[in-house]
Amino acid sequence: GAGVSQSPRYKVAKRGQDVALRCDPISGHVSLFWYQQALGQGPEFLTYFQNEAQLDKSGLPSDRFFAERPEGSVSTLKIQRTQQEDSAVYLCASSSQGWHTEAFFGQGTRLTVV
Amino acid sequence: GENVEQHPSTLSVQEGDSAVIKCTYSDSASNYFPWYKQELGKGPQLIIDIRSNVGEKKDQRIAVTLNKTAKHFSLHITETQPEDSAVYFCAPGFQKLVFGTGTRLLVSP
Repeated sequence: GAGVSQSPRYKVAKRGQDVALRCDPISGHVSLFWYQQALGQGPEFLTYFQNEAQLDKSGLPSDRFFAERPEGSVSTLKIQRTQQEDSAVYLCASSSQGWHTEAFFGQGTRLTVV
Repeated sequence: GENVEQHPSTLSVQEGDSAVIKCTYSDSASNYFPWYKQELGKGPQLIIDIRSNVGEKKDQRIAVTLNKTAKHFSLHITETQPEDSAVYFCAPGFQKLVFGTGTRLLVSP
């Protein structure tokens, strides 16, 4: 596709529900990143993939957060037993090589936990 | 971890004026220094970046200057236009991008 695509754009979840957020990176991009952006704040790093390998997951806030990229293209961020503090915009970005090349961001998924 | 601060947090200018946003960081290992622009409801978009072996880079109305010794870099926008209104983030990094808290720029016609 022309850019990074994320779905759904908006998700409302009841507290305790599991959610899955999808990211379709730019075709051929090796690197994929997930960020969490709270209202009025800068994006915060969650995790980084190079192809299918998850090289850095130091930003995942708890073991309720899990990300995968099994075939080195589409990625899914899963949040189990959602809590109100998980409410945020989740951004996905991809780049052609490593983290230090231009990262293209999707529009994000706005998650609201009620 | 990396501590990134931006100043000012908000900046209001008249169309045609210049705008300067400063970013300070703590990790001396950082070697990549991008600036991102984020419009409402959209993801951040790279507008300019610089690497640690370069002191200044310019792209039309936008420039970035880097002072590695002092650990800060700045975004300069000249001849501002209303469409420059957005939130700007610096995101210095070594092995991952660490975003600053953002600067809301408002350009009035």
